[in-house]
Amino acid sequence: NAGVTQTPKFQVLKTGQSMTLQCAQDMNHNSMYWYRQDPGMGLRLIYYSASEGTTDKGEVPNGYNVSRLNKREFSLRLESAAPSQTSVYFCASLSLSLMNTEAFFGQGTRLTVV
Amino acid sequence: GNSVTQMEGPVTLSEEAFLTINCTYTATGYPSLFWYVQYPGEGLQLLLKATKADDKGSNKGFEATYRKETTSFHLEKGSVQVSDSAVYFCALSDPLNAGGTSYGKLTFGQGTILTVHP
Repeated sequence: NAGVTQTPKFQVLKTGQSMTLQCAQDMNHNSMYWYRQDPGMGLRLIYYSASEGTTDKGEVPNGYNVSRLNKREFSLRLESAAPSQTSVYFCASLSLSLMNTEAFFGQGTRLTVV
Repeated sequence: GNSVTQMEGPVTLSEEAFLTINCTYTATGYPSLFWYVQYPGEGLQLLLKATKADDKGSNKGFEATYRKETTSFHLEKGSVQVSDSAVYFCALSDPLNAGGTSYGKLTFGQGTILTVHP
């Protein structure tokens, strides 16, 4: 049981380059999330997906796109990277119901845009 | 919308001291509440959780009680250790919908840095 797997762990991009952060979970969770973590800012929600086939904007969606490819996978794309997107990105999944509440995070992707 | 407010940090304690990290929230209905811990260089780990009013979550000596009347979920530990040094995040998820599942949004506080000295 791998939990939530994010790739890559580290990435350096030049301004204007694009990339996709991959996230997969094997726990059959409905909800998945992308957050960014910046010093002194805590975790800010970029996008989330409450179920397969749906996505919604979070607090800081500008400059990002997401795809909920299937129940397992939720990817985050930077079309034209900017230095302001230098951050640590976390993917998470949550299963929330009357019978069971579980939430798990990936190990994070440290992204530097130069 | 939903929001979570944590006490200002950082918090510095001596080993075996009592720890309280305050967390209050704003939400409609009955959200589920969580505490996460992030050790240096690592991702977030679920520390404890509570899904309804008056529930007490506990793990590794940490406790937090879901207080609907004060909209709070304060984290406590009776005797901290150096190994507890980390960043602690309070979080809430959307209340359950009529079908008994979640709308899905998970909201975090800004995090509290805890440092425990020997």
